[in-house]
Amino acid sequence: NAGVMQNPRHLVRRRGQEARLRCSPMKGHSHVYWYRQLPEEGLKFMVYLQKENIIDESGMPKERFSAEFPKEGPSILRIQQVVRGDSAAYFCASSPSAGGWDEQFFGPGTRLTVL
Amino acid sequence: SQELEQSPQSLIVQEGKNLTINCTSSKTLYGLYWYKQKYGEGLIFLMMLQKGGEEKSHEKITAKLDEKKQQSSLHITASQPSHAGIYLCGADVQAGTALIFGKGTTLSVSS
Repeated sequence: NAGVMQNPRHLVRRRGQEARLRCSPMKGHSHVYWYRQLPEEGLKFMVYLQKENIIDESGMPKERFSAEFPKEGPSILRIQQVVRGDSAAYFCASSPSAGGWDEQFFGPGTRLTVL
Repeated sequence: SQELEQSPQSLIVQEGKNLTINCTSSKTLYGLYWYKQKYGEGLIFLMMLQKGGEEKSHEKITAKLDEKKQQSSLHITASQPSHAGIYLCGADVQAGTALIFGKGTTLSVSS
């Protein structure tokens, strides 16, 4: 059973470009969580999705950021018109049910660098 | 201010020595979770604590929860190079919402 997959592992973008980060949850997991880890800061929750639904996006910046988890395919975190401050490691985690933090498995992360 | 404070920020210990990492919450804890992160990798779940006074051990790592103090400690006995990494505590401070995390403690073990 493969773990949580994220790609790309490293992404370099110039200011103003778009970044698309993908997360494939573990088999059988229908809950996905995105976190951002800024340099020198802790992990911050961004958004929680269940198949085709956004459940909690309280940690998501209001502009330029969006997330989806379609019926088929991976979850996508999309950042439009990236700025230098978006440079960070973005992690996704999946779980088979809501909450269940001890069942939440993390992916290896995507490290975004904005030039 | 940070809702979840971890101390120390970084730690260098000699192989074989014991060490303790602390995690203090400014809010009531519904659950406290310890993770380990290696550079370039995701978080690995270590332990979950939910009840005051609860203590769990796995191999040489022991975690305790002091509910009254809203604090947890992670203790490593006879540290080894394989223990090196970043230790993160995550807290469930409001049932049903996402975890909040501390900034992490970077542990280096010298041989």
